[in-house]
Amino acid sequence: ETGVTQTPRHLVMGMTNKKSLKCEQHLGHNAMYWYKQSAKKPLELMFVYNFKEQTENNSVPSRFSPECPNSSHLFLHLHTLQPEDSALYLCASSSFPGTTNTEAFFGQGTRLTVV
Amino acid sequence: QQPVQSPQAVILREGEDAVINCSSSKALYSVHWYRQKHGEAPVFLMILLKGGEQKGHEKISASFNEKKQQSSLYLTASQLSYSGTYFCGTLSVGSSGYSTLTFGKGTMLLVSP
Repeated sequence: ETGVTQTPRHLVMGMTNKKSLKCEQHLGHNAMYWYKQSAKKPLELMFVYNFKEQTENNSVPSRFSPECPNSSHLFLHLHTLQPEDSALYLCASSSFPGTTNTEAFFGQGTRLTVV
Repeated sequence: QQPVQSPQAVILREGEDAVINCSSSKALYSVHWYRQKHGEAPVFLMILLKGGEQKGHEKISASFNEKKQQSSLYLTASQLSYSGTYFCGTLSVGSSGYSTLTFGKGTMLLVSP
């Protein structure tokens, strides 16, 4: 257990569905991240939130909509996804954004399949 | 810009050694190493902060050459538990002024009995 919990662990959705991924951490961290991990691709940074404010959007399509209501929770709202969006979506958190010596703690990920 | 890792994959017998390299075209201030086992979350191994710094985690150590903008991960006398995909991550400052971690493509390591 890393202290970062993601739900659900697996999700199958149709292209017209709307679903949300949830990430929760009680480590007292101020920065939270969404990464996408596809087969044969590196961990791709999607969004970064620092102190509940979105500070990075790595050119992610608008069909992915993040939300960070507080420092402990992060959501990724999904709508009208494409089959190529099928991937493992990882949430991570770290304590001090902007410093060089901060490790990131990852959740177990949500395995998303778009049919 | 993501760091470049080599090799892409390594197959070892238990007890053998391996080296995984990570390099960047940009100046590096720190290098992070993570290991991800199949079906699990990436797990932090170590951070290297200074040029020439070396660190260790179990029988896994790493070096960081700031001038060459590269880091190497050394796995000595490998154990079955070392199998997994190893990622190096480097920090880059985004437009917001905050740093974010960018990962390489990973090196898959398989240790067989």
